[in-house]
Amino acid sequence: GAGVSQSPSNKVTEKGKDVELRCDPISGHTALYWYRQSLGQGLEFLIYFQGNSAPDKSGLPSDRFSAERTGGSVSTLTIQRTQQEDSAVYLCASSLALPSGGTDTQYFGPGTRLTVL
Amino acid sequence: RKEVEQDPGPFNVPEGATVAFNCTYSNSASQSFFWYRQDCRKEPKLLMSVYSSGNEDGRFTAQLNRASQYISLLIRDSKLSDSATYLCVVRGRGYQKVTFGIGTKLQVIP
Repeated sequence: GAGVSQSPSNKVTEKGKDVELRCDPISGHTALYWYRQSLGQGLEFLIYFQGNSAPDKSGLPSDRFSAERTGGSVSTLTIQRTQQEDSAVYLCASSLALPSGGTDTQYFGPGTRLTVL
Repeated sequence: RKEVEQDPGPFNVPEGATVAFNCTYSNSASQSFFWYRQDCRKEPKLLMSVYSSGNEDGRFTAQLNRASQYISLLIRDSKLSDSATYLCVVRGRGYQKVTFGIGTKLQVIP
């Protein structure tokens, strides 16, 4: 079946511009996560969605970052007034929510490589 | 202290060698543990979950030590295709956020 997809795969933008990154999770996966990974660094948690709500936004680095999810499916991560330090790979992952309240294995999309000039 | 700590390596080992990685976590309430594998410029993929009793999948063995708050991954008879970064992942009780370690880079040499 189809996995997690992300678009665009690459995005080059100029400092100060806004960008939108899209994530299409696996069908039926209610949990959705955004991470970013800078070159040579580990994964940095940004935000988690359960359905359309975001119980944990603690990882968003600044108010320039926002995310939404509609219809319990597609999610969009928006970065306003991009800065050079925003350059990274932005990864989306989705998983099933378990009856126990936890979540199952996370499946990652291929990521969006963002370069801010 | 970081929530999840790993030695970033790199670990350079010859083909056929046995190699082990450790990962320590700071939150004693952590409930679930995983090892993910990430190839260069690719997304992370689940390698195996880590169970309290330890578990094995072919050449890979994962163990959990709750008392000392660490998990380990042992790879036997290393193959060239095992070259990758191995990410330690920890999840808390009833809390959806998972925390990734920085990853340990393994390079298997012919």
